[in-house]
Amino acid sequence: ETGVTQTPRHLVMGMTNKKSLKCEQHLGHNAMYWYKQSAKKPLELMFVYSLEERVENNSVPSRFSPECPNSSHLFLHLHTLQPEDSALYLCASSQVQSRSNQPQHFGDGTRLSIL
Amino acid sequence: GQQLNQSPQSMFIQEGEDVSMNCTSSSIFNTWLWYKQDPGEGPVLLIALYKAGELTSNGRLTAQFGITRKDSFLNISASIPSDVGIYFCAGQLAGGTSYGKLTFGQGTILTVHP
Repeated sequence: ETGVTQTPRHLVMGMTNKKSLKCEQHLGHNAMYWYKQSAKKPLELMFVYSLEERVENNSVPSRFSPECPNSSHLFLHLHTLQPEDSALYLCASSQVQSRSNQPQHFGDGTRLSIL
Repeated sequence: GQQLNQSPQSMFIQEGEDVSMNCTSSSIFNTWLWYKQDPGEGPVLLIALYKAGELTSNGRLTAQFGITRKDSFLNISASIPSDVGIYFCAGQLAGGTSYGKLTFGQGTILTVHP
């Protein structure tokens, strides 16, 4: 799918570095999500933004800092990460409505490796 | 919190065989979704189910929303090599306050031998 685009696709960083992951959706959706996907674990929801407001933070460490400047863009700012943060980070978007929600559409993820 | 149990964890089958996988939940969902993830890519939506008892097909794929709203299954008929990948079920609650959040199963890794 090309509706949700994530950059970079791969990122290697040291524990003291600061980097940002970017997500852009071209589907006109009003909600965006960050997930962490580690080997042999279900996708873990990290953050939810609805209409550019953060509505959920699933006990994510403060070394992960999300930003949603508008309904089409979502960032995940990273600093002083730990080796266990190495994973595939997936962005998704969907259209949230009062009575029903539409399925989420995912980007291809950023493969993050912490040295 | 809600948990989904997806089984089997992995399957090794011959090309042409049929495949069945399922998910069960400890609580009710309003929507069941099935995704497939290929290596190096994000999950892609295969089938969405919105009503209890609903049976929906997408080509060789068929999925059903369980009557109790606590389970769903996915069948793949006449498997082909490109069916290889990880299949995820996901449950979703309705309503604006749920913000479309998904609860995912652990995934079923499918390997198809030519």
